[in-house]
Amino acid sequence: GNSVTQMEGPVTLSEEAFLTINCTYTATGYPSLFWYVQYPGEGLQLLLKATKADDKGSNKGFEATYRKETTSFHLEKGSVQVSDSAVYFCALKEDAGGTSYGKLTFGQGTILTVHP
Amino acid sequence: NAGVTQTPKFQVLKTGQSMTLQCAQDMNHEYMSWYRQDPGMGLRLIHYSVGAGITDQGEVPNGYNVSRSTTEDFPLRLLSAAPSQTSVYFCASSGGQGVHNEQFFGPGTRLTVL
Repeated sequence: GNSVTQMEGPVTLSEEAFLTINCTYTATGYPSLFWYVQYPGEGLQLLLKATKADDKGSNKGFEATYRKETTSFHLEKGSVQVSDSAVYFCALKEDAGGTSYGKLTFGQGTILTVHP
Repeated sequence: NAGVTQTPKFQVLKTGQSMTLQCAQDMNHEYMSWYRQDPGMGLRLIHYSVGAGITDQGEVPNGYNVSRSTTEDFPLRLLSAAPSQTSVYFCASSGGQGVHNEQFFGPGTRLTVL
């Protein structure tokens, strides 16, 4: 079956530090990959996505590149802010011949705390 | 658009009690789903629906029932609550088929079963 593995947290950084959150996946087909962010007390929001190999998703200064050869989708940001403090989830959705509505497989989440 | 709404935001139950978590969306989405979020385990799919009158089980369906009588609403029922069902519950929806379609999440319901 499908699975997503994220780096263990929590991650604590100072403002303007470089961020990497590792994500690797296992899937039998050709999945799309997503990063979701959950701010305190809120639901999940889509941060970025990539739908095929070598695609780069980007949003709000965050980037992730779909690496099929290493089955990875690591999240990076060059300079984090206090407002980036949240829980980050890596997820995949497998392409089941066009009938895959919306079943996502999530990683366990990584808590990020950024200090001033 | 209100997006995906969930009620209540918080709930405390005693073991054996029943309750319904409400979920509604106003985006005319076909697909709706329920997840539970537990520390260190990410989100796990409980039940999902691909349209009115159609539901199916996800990864962790035991102890939960769902129905989909309208496109807009997708309630989750706990028939006899157990402490193992203490969790944060999220409802989500997306429109149409395809791996690229974004899921929109509600704000969550935090449930405690004593």
